[in-house]
Amino acid sequence: DAKTTQPNSMESNEEEPVHLPCNHSTISGTDYIHWYRQLPSQGPEYVIHGLTSNVNNRMASLAIAEDRKSSTLILHRATLRDAAVYYCILRDVAGATNKLIFGTGTLLAVQP
Amino acid sequence: SAVISQKPSRDICQRGTSLTIQCQVDSQVTMMFWYRQQPGQSLTLIATANQGSEATYESGFVIDKFPISRPNLTFSTLTVSNLSPEDSSIYLCSVARVGGEAFFGQGTRLTVV
Repeated sequence: DAKTTQPNSMESNEEEPVHLPCNHSTISGTDYIHWYRQLPSQGPEYVIHGLTSNVNNRMASLAIAEDRKSSTLILHRATLRDAAVYYCILRDVAGATNKLIFGTGTLLAVQP
Repeated sequence: SAVISQKPSRDICQRGTSLTIQCQVDSQVTMMFWYRQQPGQSLTLIATANQGSEATYESGFVIDKFPISRPNLTFSTLTVSNLSPEDSSIYLCSVARVGGEAFFGQGTRLTVV
């Protein structure tokens, strides 16, 4: 399974943008880049995913480097509710297993 | 989307006993996954539960310790057998469609005493 590297922790101030980086230098052509987050005492929840082009949804934006070896999850205006562990995961949709393998993630702290 | 219900939400069990966790999904899905999250750690995949066939276990997890049933496309159970304090963790059920997002249950918090 392709591996991702994320900073262990980051801090942000409320109502400011947050850029969460992820490196995935061994990404293959059929790997989608998925982001999930886990709020305290909850199961992970889906944030966004993409293959090559930048993606936007109501929760966040995903910026993918041209060589696909890195990506950045962008929270446009952080709120206290965004404090969570954010996981960047590569998912091989060409494989038969379709499974998600979690790394250690980035613990985001949001200061008021 | 998919809504996942896990039961029980938490339990305290004696060592040497077993706990069976149920996972119910509100729609039919081909693949279901079981994860373990030890205190302060990330999620570790235990196995993929396939309907109509035996579960596929990840390295370090065996069927005798973590038997899984998948009787239909909306339901699965995970049993944690012969409990020891090291099994104290949160166990999570997940479903995913090919190429799409995954959904997770709220987890079952197991404490072994």
